[in-house]
Amino acid sequence: RKEVEQDPGPFNVPEGATVAFNCTYSNSASQSFFWYRQDCRKEPKLLMSVYSSGNEDGRFTAQLNRASQYISLLIRDSKLSDSATYLCVVAWEYGNKLVFGTGTILRVKS
Amino acid sequence: EPEVTQTPSHQVTQMGQEVILRCVPISNHLYFYWYRQILGQKVEFLVSFYNNEISEKSEIFDDQFSVERPDGSNFTLKIRSTKLEDSAMYFCASHPGQNKREGYTFGSGTRLTVV
Repeated sequence: RKEVEQDPGPFNVPEGATVAFNCTYSNSASQSFFWYRQDCRKEPKLLMSVYSSGNEDGRFTAQLNRASQYISLLIRDSKLSDSATYLCVVAWEYGNKLVFGTGTILRVKS
Repeated sequence: EPEVTQTPSHQVTQMGQEVILRCVPISNHLYFYWYRQILGQKVEFLVSFYNNEISEKSEIFDDQFSVERPDGSNFTLKIRSTKLEDSAMYFCASHPGQNKREGYTFGSGTRLTVV
């Protein structure tokens, strides 16, 4: 089983749509969870950390289900500029190595 | 906003040659990392560095690879004898420390092409 699994997509959505990405992780001892965004041939950039209580940052909402070892990202009111690869990333604890999923491609079209 | 700086942005080298990739992490960060991403594949962990020594390394990080922090700011990755399969984007990253609930910051990467 892969350490971090994501649906690779691509997800093709119109502007204004709501889209949700899911991710599962295999190491139940993991403590730190993130969503990163990666544009083509660029570095990963932190989108948001994911906390147990769930958290929201503008149009983005992240949820964590420790029992199911499942992380989600919801993007509301999609913009053209949201087109990118979204990386689900897990660490045993803050400071330890990051384990990346393969990423989910999002394409937002006008 | 503080950033991680990597040089060069692109390096082309002949197979068998040595390359050194350079990184300047964020100044008050304590943990440093190298990751690589082969074109079309996921980001893979190579090595982490803390308190002037390697804290963890992956199976990829074999004897051909080494890391150094020669002074208080630079963090380097050396590949002694490059192979074609070393062609990838190499990302440096840093993190403030285990008790800091913050994300990790990545540099813009070095694209290494081995010919």
